[in-house]
Amino acid sequence: DADVTQTPRNRITKTGKRIMLECSQTKGHDRMYWYRQDPGLGLRLIYYSFDVKDINKGEISDGYSVSRQAQAKFSLSLESAIPNQTALYFCATSDWGNTGELFFGEGSRLTVL
Amino acid sequence: AQSVTQPDIHITVSEGASLELRCNYSYGATPYLFWYVQSPGQGLQLLLKYFSGDTLVQGIKGFEAEFKRSQSSFNLRKPSVHWSDAAEYFCAVGALDTGNQFYFGTGTSLTVIP
Repeated sequence: DADVTQTPRNRITKTGKRIMLECSQTKGHDRMYWYRQDPGLGLRLIYYSFDVKDINKGEISDGYSVSRQAQAKFSLSLESAIPNQTALYFCATSDWGNTGELFFGEGSRLTVL
Repeated sequence: AQSVTQPDIHITVSEGASLELRCNYSYGATPYLFWYVQSPGQGLQLLLKYFSGDTLVQGIKGFEAEFKRSQSSFNLRKPSVHWSDAAEYFCAVGALDTGNQFYFGTGTSLTVIP
């Protein structure tokens, strides 16, 4: 099983619908991140969390919310999806104090019609 | 503000040829630098990283990168490219003074021709 698991892997939805992307990890890391990838724009940080009680906005948090249900779970919600939120979303974890590496899930492709 | 620039959007090389992917960063302190690779339909995998010490770092799959402070660069190199190296490559900076965030470049897409 993957260390960082994202569900769903693919989702097509309509404008105005609420969508939740879920992320779970078995790495035991405190730090978790949600990124959005768009062609030509690279990865942009949406939200990040350093522990269950510490959640921070990234550079493009408008239109998104997150929930850190446990150390291992970090969910991203789109309360009312819009077409320009069509993108590939990645969850990642980090053991900054050790190797400093980001470990990524395989991504969730979201299409908003 | 921290930023990462990958000036080459797309590069095409012949199999067996050498490769250099450019990365420039803007960061006030000594950065933590990373190169990640994304194969089609996959997540990102770490190729190599620089934290301190030797400025030439070796990574997986035969890649290496050199940190040049004077040029604010961290270019990725491989002496002989294989067809399986075709992928998207991302340079990233880890910033200690902004909550340990990571900043990514826009990526370089590599095509390998036979």
